[in-house]
Amino acid sequence: GAVVSQHPSRVICKSGTSVKIECRSLDFQATTMFWYRQFPKQSLMLMATSNEGSKATYEQGVEKDKFLINHASLTLSTLTVTSAHPEDSSFYICSARAAGTQRVNIQYFGAGTRLSVL
Amino acid sequence: GQQLNQSPQSMFIQEGEDVSMNCTSSSIFNTWLWYKQDPGEGPVLLIALYKAGELTSNGRLTAQFGTTRKDSFLNISASIPSDVGIYFCAGYAYSGAGSYQLTFGKGTKLSVIP
Repeated sequence: GAVVSQHPSRVICKSGTSVKIECRSLDFQATTMFWYRQFPKQSLMLMATSNEGSKATYEQGVEKDKFLINHASLTLSTLTVTSAHPEDSSFYICSARAAGTQRVNIQYFGAGTRLSVL
Repeated sequence: GQQLNQSPQSMFIQEGEDVSMNCTSSSIFNTWLWYKQDPGEGPVLLIALYKAGELTSNGRLTAQFGTTRKDSFLNISASIPSDVGIYFCAGYAYSGAGSYQLTFGKGTKLSVIP
């Protein structure tokens, strides 16, 4: 299956600092990438959808100035958590959807990033 | 928005037993996907279903796209300890403004007793 690489897998930072998470599609081009947040024992919650070369679309309740998303190429999207606070601690997962294939409805997921804000 | 009702929420089974879980919705979906998530990892795609009535297998896993396009089930035969994890169903549907969105069920936590 297609491979999505997410980095870092775990990050611990001080309150007030910014953290950048990278998501790369390794063996396919992704016109659309997604960022999810997952709380313990819960399902995935979509934060935003990003299309290559355009601004991300944020879900209701997600602060776009807090969670900056950049989708600069067909294989790379980044999520920056700005001025992180303890309540931002969570498991963040990226996902990529293949472009130009019959199976465009399949989303492949990264391994996730565990963010802990002290 | 669309909602998926996934059941059961959790299950404990003996190794070797068969497992069945399902997702239902009041909305119609174009594609059904089944994922498995291990602790601390992202979801891994198990099976993708594209047509109403489609039945697809992947090893000991079998999934079907309901004929009404509003439901899907996943069966695991002869369970083994490594089947432990959380299984999510997900459905693709048109969400308006020319875009499609993937909606997730709340997951089924599977525990296998050796």
